[in-house]
Amino acid sequence: QKEVEQNSGPLSVPEGAIASLNCTYSDRVSQSFFWYRQYSGKSPELIMSIYSNGDKEDGRFTAQLNKASQYVSLLIRDSQPSDSATYLCAVNVPNSGGYQKVTFGTGTKLQVIP
Amino acid sequence: EAGVTQFPSHSVIEKGQTVTLRCDPISGHDNLYWYRRVMGKEIKFLLHFVKESKQDESGMPNNRFLAERTGGTYSTLKVQPAELEDSGVYFCASSIQGYTDTQYFGPGTRLTVL
Repeated sequence: QKEVEQNSGPLSVPEGAIASLNCTYSDRVSQSFFWYRQYSGKSPELIMSIYSNGDKEDGRFTAQLNKASQYVSLLIRDSQPSDSATYLCAVNVPNSGGYQKVTFGTGTKLQVIP
Repeated sequence: EAGVTQFPSHSVIEKGQTVTLRCDPISGHDNLYWYRRVMGKEIKFLLHFVKESKQDESGMPNNRFLAERTGGTYSTLKVQPAELEDSGVYFCASSIQGYTDTQYFGPGTRLTVL
């Protein structure tokens, strides 16, 4: 079982719709959860972080965390063609040295159709 | 403020040759990370420096890979001798001391081993 699992997509949504991206993780000790956006040929860019159960909203983005179900999601409202990218789910897992190591999913490719 | 920079952006070498990748973190960031993404796979952690010390190198694939961070500033990742399976994109990221959650990624170095 992969540590962080995402559907690779592509997920196609029409412009203006809500895009829903999902992620599950296997390590119950995970404490921090992130969504990165990566445009083709570019580096990952952090867009959302969430640490406690519930929803966190930032502009058109909402991250949702359910630790009991080991599930993280990202909602993008009013999707724009510029949102077309690969979205990486990432999870911090503490290591024996007291630091944390980031584990990534393979990413979900989102296509917003004008 | 300058972001994380990496050099070169692209390297093409033959199997058996040596390649050295360089990463300059954001000034003042004590934490420096190396990751690798092989085509079609997720971004994988390689190692983590805190200043000049290796805090976690559990992701290094084998002893053909050597990472250094002399003086706690820039870091190099040397692959010697390179093998075909070493091809991929090598990302560097940095974060400020004591706040390892938010990692800022560099643009990556695309390594092709022929």
